Amino acid sequence: GAGVSQSPSNKVTEKGKDVELRCDPISGHTALYWYRQSLGQGLEFLIYFQGNSAPDKSGLPSDRFSAERTGGSVSTLTIQRTQQEDSAVYLCASSPRVSSGLYNEQFFGPGTRLTVL
Amino acid sequence: AQSVTQPDIHITVSEGASLELRCNYSYGATPYLFWYVQSPGQGLQLLLKYFSGDTLVQGIKGFEAEFKRSQSSFNLRKPSVHWSDAAEYFCAVGSNTGNQFYFGTGTSLTVIP
Repeated sequence: GAGVSQSPSNKVTEKGKDVELRCDPISGHTALYWYRQSLGQGLEFLIYFQGNSAPDKSGLPSDRFSAERTGGSVSTLTIQRTQQEDSAVYLCASSPRVSSGLYNEQFFGPGTRLTVL
Repeated sequence: AQSVTQPDIHITVSEGASLELRCNYSYGATPYLFWYVQSPGQGLQLLLKYFSGDTLVQGIKGFEAEFKRSQSSFNLRKPSVHWSDAAEYFCAVGSNTGNQFYFGTGTSLTVIP
């Protein structure tokens, strides 16, 4: 079946512009995660959605970053007034519902490479 | 605070040689541990995971990892490396609430003929 898809694959923007990054999770997966991967860094957690629960936004680095998930499926990560330090690969992952006492792996998309000039 | 440390930023091995990638974690409860591989231009792919039970877990592509609670380690091993194993490897620990994963900074593997 189809995996997690992200668009665009590459985005080049000018400093100060807003960008939107899209994630299409695997159908039926209720959990969705956004991460940022900067050069030479590990994955930095940004935000987590689980079903209809309030998202965990604890990883968002500033109020310029926001994300929404419509209908429990597609998610959009928005970065307002982009800065050069926002340049990174943004990864999305989805996971089946987490059951008590069990744990499910994350399935990652290929990422969106964002370059802020 | 939860964290994952991968001490080796870059490792080079000869094809056919054995491989061990180190991972140490800090987590207050029983950890859920993962190894992912990221090939150039690709998303992360799960190699293996540990939740409970047997501390030696087998994964895809001939990889295995051993959970050692006393050492807070979850090292990844492969007895004979293939050129196609060249990639970035990430260790991760997951919280038991399911909403947080902590990734290490990765180990880049180069395989030489």
